Amino acid sequence: KNEVEQSPQNLTAQEGEFITINCSYSVGISALHWLQQHPGGGIVSLFMLSSGKKKHGRLIATINIQEKHSSLHITASHPRDSAVYICAVRAQGAQKLVFGQGTRLTINP
Amino acid sequence: EAEVAQSPRYKITEKSQAVAFWCDPISGHATLYWYRQILGQGPELLVQFQDESVVDDSQLPKDRFSAERLKGVDSTLKIQPAELGDSAMYLCASSWDRDYEQYFGPGTRLTVT
Repeated sequence: KNEVEQSPQNLTAQEGEFITINCSYSVGISALHWLQQHPGGGIVSLFMLSSGKKKHGRLIATINIQEKHSSLHITASHPRDSAVYICAVRAQGAQKLVFGQGTRLTINP
Repeated sequence: EAEVAQSPRYKITEKSQAVAFWCDPISGHATLYWYRQILGQGPELLVQFQDESVVDDSQLPKDRFSAERLKGVDSTLKIQPAELGDSAMYLCASSWDRDYEQYFGPGTRLTVT
C-alpha cells in the first residue's frame, strides 16, 4: 500500500461543477502539499497545509490530521482546470516529500 | 516572478549514451531537488541538496546517475550510460530552505531509444 493514496484516479465533469479530490496518507506528517501538473509536465504548487483550511480563488484545501485525510475542492470548475492534481506529504522528521499518483481531472465545456 | 530554469526541455538519446540535465534554482534558495517522474506516476525524489551538500540520495541509482551542485547554486544531473528504463520526466525544484514550499521547473523529458 502506498503511503499516499488519492481518489479518484480519473475524474471527468462538466464546466461549473463542484469538484472534490481526496488524499489519504498513512504516516504522521509535518506538511501536506497539493500540486497541479498540466500536460507538458510543469508543476505548480497550489497549497501547503499543516492544519485546517486554505482558500485561493476557486480552490479550497482542507486537512484533517486525526483522520490523515485531505481534500482539494474546486468551485465553479472551468476547462482550464483540466490537469493532474497531486497530493504530497512530508512525514514527521523526514526531509523528503512522498507523492501520490495523481488525479487526472478533465472539465468539459 | 522568479522561476526555476531547466534545460534542455526535451532530450532524445540512444541507450548507452551519456546525457546531462541542468537546473538553475530560484535565487537564494538553499534546497534543490531532482525528481524523476515516470508517465502516470507521481514524482520520485532522486537527490536533495542543501547548499552544495547532498542530504538525500537514497533513491539515486549511483552506478549510472550522478548529481552535483558545486557552488551551491545551479546543479547538473548526469546519466551514463542511459538505459531504456530511464525514459521519464526529470524535474528540478527548489525551496528557500528544506521545510518550505517547493517551486518546480518545467522539467526535461528524456526519451531513450
